[in-house]
Amino acid sequence: SQELEQSPQSLIVQEGKNLTINCTSSKTLYGLYWYKQKYGEGLIFLMMLQKGGEEKSHEKITAKLDEKKQQSSLHITASQPSHAGIYLCGADGSGGGADGLTFGKGTHLIIQP
Amino acid sequence: NAGVMQNPRHLVRRRGQEARLRCSPMKGHSHVYWYRQLPEEGLKFMVYLQKENIIDESGMPKERFSAEFPKEGPSILRIQQVVRGDSAAYFCASSKTPGADGTFFGQGTRLTVV
Repeated sequence: SQELEQSPQSLIVQEGKNLTINCTSSKTLYGLYWYKQKYGEGLIFLMMLQKGGEEKSHEKITAKLDEKKQQSSLHITASQPSHAGIYLCGADGSGGGADGLTFGKGTHLIIQP
Repeated sequence: NAGVMQNPRHLVRRRGQEARLRCSPMKGHSHVYWYRQLPEEGLKFMVYLQKENIIDESGMPKERFSAEFPKEGPSILRIQQVVRGDSAAYFCASSKTPGADGTFFGQGTRLTVV
């Protein structure tokens, strides 16, 4: 079965600094999803990457997919308190999205003012 | 266009009772997924349903758990004879087609078994 490893597990960053979160898969990635979860709340969809080398941005968040390395990275520029939360990567390992996503354990991000 | 709606948000059950968790997918979405998030663990896939059909239930415990997605109405995750280990956050997600355009999650139902 596919496993996703996220690093780091937790991250404390000073407001205004940049940061990167990584997600590495044990198997081929057919689709990679990034979600943000506020503590005690649901998951907010950030973006989905499907093709090797694909890069997407939303506001100050950029995600890339390295298909060969079976890895994705999420980069936040000039972090803000609103970026705090748990970031989860989810992978579609079947190629058709038919059997749900496998998730990493999440990266807890804290932004220090 | 309302997002994925789950209710209740919080549910407390005594051991041995039944828990029913409801999920209304986003408008236009016919694919529903249920996930469980245990403390200190990531989200684990439980079951994937498409209207009136269970497509994949490989993540569902073999006993006491069942799911349905009737032609009319919300998807239901049912846990019979709950035990303390069932305490978790249960998330429902929906998509228009499998793997396309993103999968959107509800706010979750936090089940506490006392």
